[in-house]
Amino acid sequence: EAGVTQFPSHSVIEKGQTVTLRCDPISGHDNLYWYRRVMGKEIKFLLHFVKESKQDESGMPNNRFLAERTGGTYSTLKVQPAELEDSGVYFCASSRMVRGMNTEAFFGQGTRLTVV
Amino acid sequence: GEDVEQSLFLSVREGDSSVINCTYTDSSSTYLYWYKQEPGAGLQLLTYIFSNMDMKQDQRLTVLLNKKDKHLSLRIADTQTGDSAIYFCADPPDSGYALNFGKGTSLLVTP
Repeated sequence: EAGVTQFPSHSVIEKGQTVTLRCDPISGHDNLYWYRRVMGKEIKFLLHFVKESKQDESGMPNNRFLAERTGGTYSTLKVQPAELEDSGVYFCASSRMVRGMNTEAFFGQGTRLTVV
Repeated sequence: GEDVEQSLFLSVREGDSSVINCTYTDSSSTYLYWYKQEPGAGLQLLTYIFSNMDMKQDQRLTVLLNKKDKHLSLRIADTQTGDSAIYFCADPPDSGYALNFGKGTSLLVTP
């Protein structure tokens, strides 16, 4: 079974440009999460999808960040326009529901975004 | 959000025991987790403990939970160079499914 995959693994962009990160969750996992780790700081929750619906987007920093999960499969996280403080590692995770209970979240390898 | 605090660095010699500590503030968590991130890899769930337990042992790993002090620790016996990684303590908030992570403890194991 394939794990959570993220693309690209690294991205270097200039301030003001747009970047789109992609996450393919494990097949059958309804829950999909985005997290971000800024250098030296804790991993912060960004948002949570249940299938195609945004369950919780309380962690999204501002309206320069847009996450989508059309069709409830893969998800994209777009940053437009990117700022220097957006640099960090973006993790995606997925989990499935079993009898209404959330199970272990599996994480992808992360996308390292550097804004210069 | 709730705070999860960890020391940032730990260096041990191969064969010694490592103890990584974590304090948390959310008292309603059902589970508490330890994740491991090896260089260039994603986060891997290492172990977890139910909040009604004081201790859990899994091979070389021992998790201790002090609910009164909201303190969680991870002990790695006979630490190996392959254990060098960043270890994150995490707990779910009182509502929702997202995890609250600490900043991570970088463990360096020297020969």
